[in-house]
Amino acid sequence: GESVGLHLPTLSVQEGDNSIINCAYSNSASDYFIWYKQESGKGPQFIIDIRSNMDKRQGQRVTVLLNKTVKHLSLQIAATQPGDSAVYFCAETRLSGGYNKLIFGAGTRLAVHP
Amino acid sequence: DTAVSQTPKYLVTQMGNDKSIKCEQNLGHDTMYWYKQDSKKFLKIMFSYNNKELIINETVPNRFSPKSPDKAHLNLHINSLELGDSAVYFCASSQGPRVSNEQFFGPGTRLTVL
Repeated sequence: GESVGLHLPTLSVQEGDNSIINCAYSNSASDYFIWYKQESGKGPQFIIDIRSNMDKRQGQRVTVLLNKTVKHLSLQIAATQPGDSAVYFCAETRLSGGYNKLIFGAGTRLAVHP
Repeated sequence: DTAVSQTPKYLVTQMGNDKSIKCEQNLGHDTMYWYKQDSKKFLKIMFSYNNKELIINETVPNRFSPKSPDKAHLNLHINSLELGDSAVYFCASSQGPRVSNEQFFGPGTRLTVL
């Protein structure tokens, strides 16, 4: 079925370490990718996006890397903090009736330990 | 506060019942969405409306009927509820229908069908 897969369902890191969350996508025609963060009991929240004509984009403490050759996306979080504990989703675009829709991956839970 | 709001937050009901979930956004957005998140956190789009017009309609049972009375509201009515309908339902909105328009998610409605 349509899906974007993740290598690790759960990632545990120490506070202050860097975190890397990986994602493999299936549609080579996807031209836009987004990372979302979902805290417990809340809706997903946009973190960072990247277009297929780029291979790297940086935000505040976060970097997204895109490798179109192997259809791989990663989210790097620098100096991980307890507030970063959440489930992280990558999403790719897919056409549906002339409109693009987001296809979400299964999610990776990030647990930050003091 | 400007936000996407959903009511109710929790909904517990018996199989066979009909229920509705309401969504309102005061962000002035033209596009609204309904997503379903299952027990494994998998998030999948169900419907999207742009300016009150249905633009994305995924393979959702016709027991689910969205209704957009105006651009600020997108309600979801579910007939003849089944056990498999138990999930968290998220409403979202964006300025426009392009995937590059950031989607803002509501807090979710947890539906439990007994």
